[in-house]
Amino acid sequence: SQQGEEDPQALSIQEGENATMNCSYKTSINNLQWYRQNSGRGLVHLILIRSNEREKHSGRLRVTLDTSKKSSSLLITASRAADTASYFCATVGAGGATNKLIFGTGTLLAVQP
Amino acid sequence: ETGVTQTPRHLVMGMTNKKSLKCEQHLGHNAMYWYKQSAKKPLELMFVYSLEERVENNSVPSRFSPECPNSSHLFLHLHTLQPEDSALYLCASSQDSKTSGAPFFGPGTRLTVL
Repeated sequence: SQQGEEDPQALSIQEGENATMNCSYKTSINNLQWYRQNSGRGLVHLILIRSNEREKHSGRLRVTLDTSKKSSSLLITASRAADTASYFCATVGAGGATNKLIFGTGTLLAVQP
Repeated sequence: ETGVTQTPRHLVMGMTNKKSLKCEQHLGHNAMYWYKQSAKKPLELMFVYSLEERVENNSVPSRFSPECPNSSHLFLHLHTLQPEDSALYLCASSQDSKTSGAPFFGPGTRLTVL
């Protein structure tokens, strides 16, 4: 399967610190997306990076993609308590018939005030 | 919240009950999806609809029956569920089912099967 796997499973940091989460996947992709989920709520799309891109920024978020290693990282700089949530990576396979997202198990981020 | 709404937000049902989950999108999208999120497991895609036609069914048991009467509404009819079906059910929509853009997710329905 192409399931993404996030690392670490859980991360606890202090406000102001940076948080880095990693994602690995198994097969060729069209794009990789990062989502955020507050406890028991829906997913919020954060950023999409295509297979021909290596880095993208959005505000305090920085995403990298290394297709040779089949991995991606999400960096949140200057974290805030409000960043506390679960973060998921999801991939869309190359050549797929539908826009089918394959999700990982997520990283639970806790930002202590 | 997003332009995708789901009702109810919480549902408790017995194994012999019949209930339905409703999803509505206000984004003018043509594709809609049902996902299941169980504890400690990745989100699983259940169904994909494109222009009211089911284009993907990921080996979901027949006790889950989707319905898409139009491109703005999606239902998931539930009957004779099992306790292991307890999960967060998320609806999503996207412009179409083939373009690799990001879908918008609803807030989910938390389902508990007793």
